[in-house]
Amino acid sequence: KAGVTQTPRYLIKTRGQQVTLSCSPISGHRSVSWYQQTPGQGLQFLFEYFSETQRNKGNFPGRFSGRQFSNSRSEMNVSTLELGDSALYLCASSRAGGANVLTFGAGSRLTVL
Amino acid sequence: DAKTTQPPSMDCAEGRAANLPCNHSTISGNEYVYWYRQIHSQGPQYIIHGLKNNETNEMASLIITEDRKSSTLILPHATLRDTAVYYCIVRDGGAGSYQLTFGKGTKLSVIP
Repeated sequence: KAGVTQTPRYLIKTRGQQVTLSCSPISGHRSVSWYQQTPGQGLQFLFEYFSETQRNKGNFPGRFSGRQFSNSRSEMNVSTLELGDSALYLCASSRAGGANVLTFGAGSRLTVL
Repeated sequence: DAKTTQPPSMDCAEGRAANLPCNHSTISGNEYVYWYRQIHSQGPQYIIHGLKNNETNEMASLIITEDRKSSTLILPHATLRDTAVYYCIVRDGGAGSYQLTFGKGTKLSVIP
């Protein structure tokens, strides 16, 4: 079956711009979570959505936001980009309940110049 | 903060078993131990998880001590493709948030 699909895979933005990243979960998975990975901070939890509702949020500024659609697809948005937002953004999906195993996508690599 | 402690790096000869330790001394009764790995620049990949019994799947075995304060991930016959960062994560396996708290993990290098 198809895995978690993230688009775009690579993108370059300049400071002050905004960016929207997309995540299509595995069919039947209703939970989507987002993570940021940088060399200095490692993998950090951004937020998680379940049935179009944000269920949990990590310690990131309000410039980072997300949403989930009725088909479980999710987007995250980062506004007013800063150099420090350069990172690999990973999306993971999970079937509701059960063992809570996350399946990650390949990530979107954002470079802010 | 991550609830686990792992060695920062380990080497293993190709074809030998790789034993990756993890300490989780503050684990509570309803928390599971999960293992993920991340091959360079890819998304993390789920390996295995367990509560208190030892577990085995096609990828690895998980040995959890009786007091549940530590565990060991065993890759029975390591290959070069197993070179990756391995993360041991403790979290509540029940319904609710799917947030994972990643530590720094163990960088496993499989040597030819």
